[in-house]
Amino acid sequence: DAGVTQSPTHLIKTRGQQVTLRCSPISGHKSVSWYQQVLGQGPQFIFQYYEKEERGRGNFPDRFSARQFPNYSSELNVNALLLGDSALYLCASSLGSGQGEETQYFGPGTRLLVL
Amino acid sequence: LAKTTQPISMDSYEGQEVNITCSHNNIATNDYITWYQQFPSQGPRFIIQGYKTKVTNEVASLFIPADRKSSTLSLPRVSLSDTAVYYCLVGPQWGYSTLTFGKGTMLLVSP
Repeated sequence: DAGVTQSPTHLIKTRGQQVTLRCSPISGHKSVSWYQQVLGQGPQFIFQYYEKEERGRGNFPDRFSARQFPNYSSELNVNALLLGDSALYLCASSLGSGQGEETQYFGPGTRLLVL
Repeated sequence: LAKTTQPISMDSYEGQEVNITCSHNNIATNDYITWYQQFPSQGPRFIIQGYKTKVTNEVASLFIPADRKSSTLSLPRVSLSDTAVYYCLVGPQWGYSTLTFGKGTMLLVSP
């Protein structure tokens, strides 16, 4: 079975631009979470979605937004990019039902560099 | 969410057993302990999860004392490919949860 997939793998943008990152969860998983990981730090939670609804949001500015589609894939959008947005963006999926195991499985990430 | 404390780094040699201890003094009754492994520029990989006593899988063992205020990840006979950052996380397994990562433990395995 395929794991969590993310695209693109790498991306270079300039300050002020906008970026869209994509994630496909493990088959059967209905919840998707997004994390930002800057160099030398652990991943930081950005968003969690379940059944197309936002279920949680971390301490990130409104420039960050996300959505989940009927097939449970998800997109993360970042507007007005800043140099500090350069990071590895990780997507994780879980069953999401809230009634059982909620172990999160991560994708390989998208490396974003803002110049 | 309970805060965790773990060593910043550890060194070992191939073939040795490595034990990484994590402190979580404020763990809640419904919290589970989960460990992830992360290689550079890759997503974290789930290793093991437990609630109490001992859990073992094909990769590692997790030891949790009765008071659950700490836990120890044990990696038997490490190899060079076990060089990675290891994260200890504490939170509810059931229901909705997000993950709160610390800085993790950087394990360096040498020949």
